[in-house]
Amino acid sequence: DTAVSQTPKYLVTQMGNDKSIKCEQNLGHDTMYWYKQDSKKFLKIMFSYNNKELIINETVPNRFSPKSPDKAHLNLHINSLELGDSAVYFCASSQSRTSGKDTGELFFGEGSRLTVL
Amino acid sequence: RKEVEQDPGPFNVPEGATVAFNCTYSNSASQSFFWYRQDCRKEPKLLMSVYSSGNEDGRFTAQLNRASQYISLLIRDSKLSDSATYLCVVNILVKDRGSTLGRLYFGRGTQLTVWP
Repeated sequence: DTAVSQTPKYLVTQMGNDKSIKCEQNLGHDTMYWYKQDSKKFLKIMFSYNNKELIINETVPNRFSPKSPDKAHLNLHINSLELGDSAVYFCASSQSRTSGKDTGELFFGEGSRLTVL
Repeated sequence: RKEVEQDPGPFNVPEGATVAFNCTYSNSASQSFFWYRQDCRKEPKLLMSVYSSGNEDGRFTAQLNRASQYISLLIRDSKLSDSATYLCVVNILVKDRGSTLGRLYFGRGTQLTVWP
């Protein structure tokens, strides 16, 4: 069973389109994230949700909108795609990012490779 | 200035070599430290935590120097399967609306290739 699964794995689309990436974790974790890894391999956090509540929102264009229908799911919708959005988007989860249960271990999905043409 | 700085490499070493990676962090409020490993076109995975006293896991040794804000990873007797990118990760606790929140910052990674 895949612990953190995200779909699709690959996405090729035209500039200006809108697309979504879905993520689900079956680890029973409280906290989920979206990270972006660009062509220089730098892994940068975009958003984090703890029990469906947004707790981290880095400086990300508002074309990116996360949604967490429940604590096991965190989806990412991107409007009006631009060339610079091409990257690998990783979903991750952890037990809890609030103090008390923090082990520092994130469990990542396999990534969704987005190419904008 | 980035929270976590690493030499991106690449490091190319023969099997059996000893190789060391270094990492510096800028925020003295950093609480905990980790090394993650990322294989080519795969997701990052936790390799080991880094403790103040230093810690070892088989061929891997991690060290932390809080005074210098410096973390290291030593790999002894390198294997072909050690070829990967090694990411230095720092956890900073911040207060947010009455809660204490851990925030992980990743370095850009150091690429290692072990050749036969």
